Amino acid sequence: SQQGEEDPQALSIQEGENATMNCSYKTSINNLQWYRQNSGRGLVHLILIRSNEREKHSGRLRVTLDTSKKSSSLLITASRAADTASYFCATAPGNQGGKLIFGQGTELSVKP
Amino acid sequence: GAVVSQHPSWVICKSGTSVKIECRSLDFQATTMFWYRQFPKQSLMLMATSNEGSKATYEQGVEKDKFLINHASLTLSTLTVTSAHPEDSSFYICSARDLRRGDNQPQHFGDGTRLSIL
Repeated sequence: SQQGEEDPQALSIQEGENATMNCSYKTSINNLQWYRQNSGRGLVHLILIRSNEREKHSGRLRVTLDTSKKSSSLLITASRAADTASYFCATAPGNQGGKLIFGQGTELSVKP
Repeated sequence: GAVVSQHPSWVICKSGTSVKIECRSLDFQATTMFWYRQFPKQSLMLMATSNEGSKATYEQGVEKDKFLINHASLTLSTLTVTSAHPEDSSFYICSARDLRRGDNQPQHFGDGTRLSIL
């Protein structure tokens, strides 16, 4: 069963604005990962943050992890129309053979 | 970066047909592959975990006789939807990873297969 919940479910912003997506989960994890999916395509890995890390950056992406609150956030700065996609968080529970449990996703629309 | 190829990308067939989907890791050895199903506007639901050389582990509620998984080599896993019916129509996505590289590694996804059963 899905254990991740994301909010908002949909987000519409103007180009140049920042976009923040949140993810909550229920069980202990080894790591949390963020993926992007363009319509009708597979998933592209964005960032992996380990359970002992609190923040991670990659280009215009910033991910935070709060294991005490079992939550994570993904910030996309200076958004572009090409960032329009669905974004999913996924948790890797401990001792589960590497499988991922996906959140419900946030559908981001960046208007030019 | 690691590449996973999934084939075919689109299948339309008649009810009762069995359909095979292939998932290949092109530049790394995938000790484990995962098969997901995704309905429109929804998240990915894990169907099964496929380990090379052993039987797949199916998630609760997934019929193993309906969705046959074979992981015969370190670069290929197949999902066969047997006697497909319209309710099996969905987007199927595979992913792969090399567990020998440790737990904290991302999964690499194929581009998915859109299955439409008439």
